[in-house]
Amino acid sequence: DAKTTQPPSMDCAEGRAANLPCNHSTISGNEYVYWYRQIHSQGPQYIIHGLKNNETNEMASLIITEDRKSSTLILPHATLRDTAVYYCIVITLAGNNRKLIWGLGTSLAVNP
Amino acid sequence: SAVISQKPSRDICQRGTSLTIQCQVDSQVTMMFWYRQQPGQSLTLIATANQGSEATYESGFVIDKFPISRPNLTFSTLTVSNMSPEDSSIYLCSARGQALGGGYTFGSGTRLTVV
Repeated sequence: DAKTTQPPSMDCAEGRAANLPCNHSTISGNEYVYWYRQIHSQGPQYIIHGLKNNETNEMASLIITEDRKSSTLILPHATLRDTAVYYCIVITLAGNNRKLIWGLGTSLAVNP
Repeated sequence: SAVISQKPSRDICQRGTSLTIQCQVDSQVTMMFWYRQQPGQSLTLIATANQGSEATYESGFVIDKFPISRPNLTFSTLTVSNMSPEDSSIYLCSARGQALGGGYTFGSGTRLTVV
């Protein structure tokens, strides 16, 4: 599975959009981009995933570049409760023997 | 979406003892996994729990230290054996299956402190 690169930390003002980038330049054609977040001392929480089209759900939007080598997670109106570590992972859903490779993620601090 | 229940949520244990962590999924899942997250670190996969057969361990993890059971498609246990303070971590159960939309869902974790 492809490796991802994320900035170690970011700050965002409450109520503003948080844009979290992720580079996955070695992504292959059948690999999805998944985003999770982990609020302190809790298990990772699924946010959103996509293959090549932009995706939106009640939590966030995912923008994937046309060459699929990078993506951006957008939290449109960040709140204090969005303070967490955000992980970008690429993985194929084909087959049953795939394991998630976790980097260090981006620690997002939402400030009042 | 499916729910994963993990217990205990936390424990403080004496060195040399063992702790068994339970993971229950409210629907049948194909795959179950156990992770360790040491303080300030990312998640590290310990093993894949295979239903009806021995778990598949990642490099650096062995069955004698982390025996795993998976008697059916909804339940798994991880035992941390002969504990030392270096085993103090958060241990996380994860599952994947059609009932989970094909993606990966995580339990809330077990925070283990070994004294």
